[in-house]
Amino acid sequence: KAGVTQTPRYLIKTRGQQVTLSCSPISGHRSVSWYQQTPGQGLQFLFEYFSETQRNKGNFPGRFSGRQFSNSRSEMNVSTLELGDSALYLCASSRDGRDEKLFFGSGTQLSVL
Amino acid sequence: KNEVEQSPQNLTAQEGEFITINCSYSVGISALHWLQQHPGGGIVSLFMLSSGKKKHGRLIATINIQEKHSSLHITASHPRDSAVYICAKETSGSRLTFGEGTQLTVNP
Repeated sequence: KAGVTQTPRYLIKTRGQQVTLSCSPISGHRSVSWYQQTPGQGLQFLFEYFSETQRNKGNFPGRFSGRQFSNSRSEMNVSTLELGDSALYLCASSRDGRDEKLFFGSGTQLSVL
Repeated sequence: KNEVEQSPQNLTAQEGEFITINCSYSVGISALHWLQQHPGGGIVSLFMLSSGKKKHGRLIATINIQEKHSSLHITASHPRDSAVYICAKETSGSRLTFGEGTQLTVNP
């Protein structure tokens, strides 16, 4: 059974650009959640999608957005990149996202120059 | 005060030692997660628990809901257990609030 796949693995962008990250969950999993990890702030919850609907949202500005497709694959988008957006972005999937173990992807390392 | 507090922040042990990492949280939860992160970033979910105790191999996780406290124990530690261990509380769906992590180093 294939794991959670995140693409790309590494990304370099400049300030002001936008970026789209992709996450393909484990087959049969309908919940996809996104997290940001930085040395200063640690791991923080971005948002969760379930059956193409955003079900939960963390405390991030509107520049951070996401969506989920009918096959449960999810994308997150960051517009008008800032230096502080440099981080490891992780997604995780689960069957229904309630009180169950999460399966994490390897993450996308984003560097904003 | 962080919503999720872990201790210790750093832990160095000799191979074979019994290890305990503690996690306290400030408000009620639906579940408590223990995660392991190796260098390179990959995160593995070790346990998800909402009451009692769970065991997998040499790892044991316990939670006391009344005291808002959880512990992760590693018996007969091994150098391959060296990693960052993170506890996270779940309050709504996959909305997790994370502790700062415990860097564990097990020396041979």
